[in-house]
Amino acid sequence: EVQLVESGGGLIQPGGSLRLSCAASGFSFSDNDVSWVRQAPGKGLEWVSAIYRGGRTYNGDSVKGRFTISRDNSRSMVFLQMNSLRAEDTAVYYCARGPGLRGIFDYWGQGTLVTVSS
Amino acid sequence: QSALTQTPSASGSPGQSVTISCTGTSSDVGGYNYVSWYQQHPGKAPKLMIYEVTKRPSGVPDRFAGSKSGNTASLTVSGLQAEDEADYYCTSYAGGGSVVFGGGTKLTVL
Repeated sequence: EVQLVESGGGLIQPGGSLRLSCAASGFSFSDNDVSWVRQAPGKGLEWVSAIYRGGRTYNGDSVKGRFTISRDNSRSMVFLQMNSLRAEDTAVYYCARGPGLRGIFDYWGQGTLVTVSS
Repeated sequence: QSALTQTPSASGSPGQSVTISCTGTSSDVGGYNYVSWYQQHPGKAPKLMIYEVTKRPSGVPDRFAGSKSGNTASLTVSGLQAEDEADYYCTSYAGGGSVVFGGGTKLTVL
């Protein structure tokens, strides 16, 4: 069974840093892309970052220069290092398998809430 | 990349059919047969309902059907049931490993 479990969310002050983790199981981790997708309260889904099977990364315009995605294939984990956090980064952050070659996010974690507030 | 355009809301009565649209450009929806649809209930993670325009993952009822014409993709839900009330998001592959998301449609079952 494919599982993605996020952790690391919480309350953080503006300008602070936070590191999210995503533990994957049930599939060949190193052969798959993994992404972070966030959802601000009452808003839609936003593709934040991705790390492809070969190690290439993607970061959305709203987080470029502030967020860094990385992976540890030996532990089947993906990390999102979030620096210089802003109030507008407040959201539920989902870890999802994908996008692959067909743009599909086929499995999702339950999400972890990040709240940026003083 | 610009977001895909979805109408904010749609509704239908139980048993009826409803269609949700998703409009992009020739660089995404119109350029690839890689449109996906996701269902999200309040407080839950999104769930893949349709991929590659028309395909359903195992376990998704055949009441859900996807299609595409030009730069517009559509999701049709037939025989509406109360549990279909949710937010629906479309995505499209946009080349180079990138994906563009729609803004979401809130489906209400009257």
